[in-house]
Amino acid sequence: DARVTQTPRHKVTEMGQEVTMRCQPILGHNTVFWYRQTMMQGLELLAYFRNRAPLDDSGMPKDRFSAEMPDATLATLKIQPSEPRDSAVYFCASGLVSKHDRGRETQYFGPGTRLLVL
Amino acid sequence: KNEVEQSPQNLTAQEGEFITINCSYSVGISALHWLQQHPGGGIVSLFMLSSGKKKHGRLIATINIQEKHSSLHITASHPRDSAVYICAVRSGGGADGLTFGKGTHLIIQP
Repeated sequence: DARVTQTPRHKVTEMGQEVTMRCQPILGHNTVFWYRQTMMQGLELLAYFRNRAPLDDSGMPKDRFSAEMPDATLATLKIQPSEPRDSAVYFCASGLVSKHDRGRETQYFGPGTRLLVL
Repeated sequence: KNEVEQSPQNLTAQEGEFITINCSYSVGISALHWLQQHPGGGIVSLFMLSSGKKKHGRLIATINIQEKHSSLHITASHPRDSAVYICAVRSGGGADGLTFGKGTHLIIQP
């Protein structure tokens, strides 16, 4: 049963520390998304990649957030330095999109990383 | 940017009732997703629609592209259907991620 995995599942850190979240997309999927969920804002898109290339990261605070795909099996989201307002659940999702179905792929969500910045 | 509105925000119903959750959006889309988030936090994709209607078990999703509106129906509701249901849209061109509604918190009482 293929699924998206995320690590760590929970992270508590102090303000100013670096946080790295990892995502392993479903094997063969070519699109990876990072979302953030807070009580106030709900779910928001942070960034997404297709074939490992970043297509949109306009949802990320550029000064402190960075997202990369070192290879097809790993996506990372890094916060440096972290702030209390970054406390949220961060979801990774992956999908398989073809040229003909762009915008219509089903996204499969990981379990999320629950981050608390003190 | 697409604005996605869901109604109602909260819904409590008795087991067996027919449930309808509505979603409207402001700009033309390439696809609309209905997601279910369980109390534990996990998110599952229920449907992806670009036109018409889809059915899976007791769940039915419809979309009216002209009216920019979609509905999710649950027939013969059950306490295990209790969850947050989230509508999300993908704008045209395939170049955007999902824009989400705030979700509908559904509680089905036995």
